[in-house]
Amino acid sequence: KNEVEQSPQNLTAQEGEFITINCSYSVGISALHWLQQHPGGGIVSLFMLSSGKKKHGRLIATINIQEKHSSLHITASHPRDSAVYICAVSKGGGSQGNLIFGKGTKLSVKP
Amino acid sequence: DAGVIQSPRHEVTEMGQEVTLRCKPISGHNSLFWYRQTMMRGLELLIYFNNNVPIDDSGMPEDRFSAKMPNASFSTLKIQPSEPRDSAVYFCASSEWGDRGEKLFFGSGTQLSVL
Repeated sequence: KNEVEQSPQNLTAQEGEFITINCSYSVGISALHWLQQHPGGGIVSLFMLSSGKKKHGRLIATINIQEKHSSLHITASHPRDSAVYICAVSKGGGSQGNLIFGKGTKLSVKP
Repeated sequence: DAGVIQSPRHEVTEMGQEVTLRCKPISGHNSLFWYRQTMMRGLELLIYFNNNVPIDDSGMPEDRFSAKMPNASFSTLKIQPSEPRDSAVYFCASSEWGDRGEKLFFGSGTQLSVL
């Protein structure tokens, strides 16, 4: 079993829909990252969080440390949100970039 | 700042050849990471450096892989000899260690194909 599990693997939505991507992990962590990988391959860090909730524009990330679960929400989705969203965890004891990655959720938003 | 710069963007080589991937981190960042992405295994950490010193290389698959960071502005990942199973996208990333808001910045990646 992978230490970081994401669901769903693939997600298709209509423009304007509210989207949720889930991430569960089975190890103790110091932080959780949400990354976005565009069709061209580039990777962008969206959030790093260790508790509570963070918001940036239409994106909201939450984490529940007790339940070892995080969610990434996209409000008012747009075709430009189409990308692969990757959850990754830092097991700590060093740099936050020492990451274990989920397999990613491929999101496609149709106009 | 130009961001994290990787070169080359694409590399096609034959099995047995030496391959060198290069990375220039963001100026002022003191942590540098090498990751590999394949369809089968997704993203994996290979090695990371702090202040030019390798901290954890447990992700390096085997002795054919080596990485160096001779100074704060340059790192290399070398594969010698290369094998077809090394074909993947290799990403370099940098960050500021010690900042609890530590954010990772990724390069554009090097697409490696070993024939």
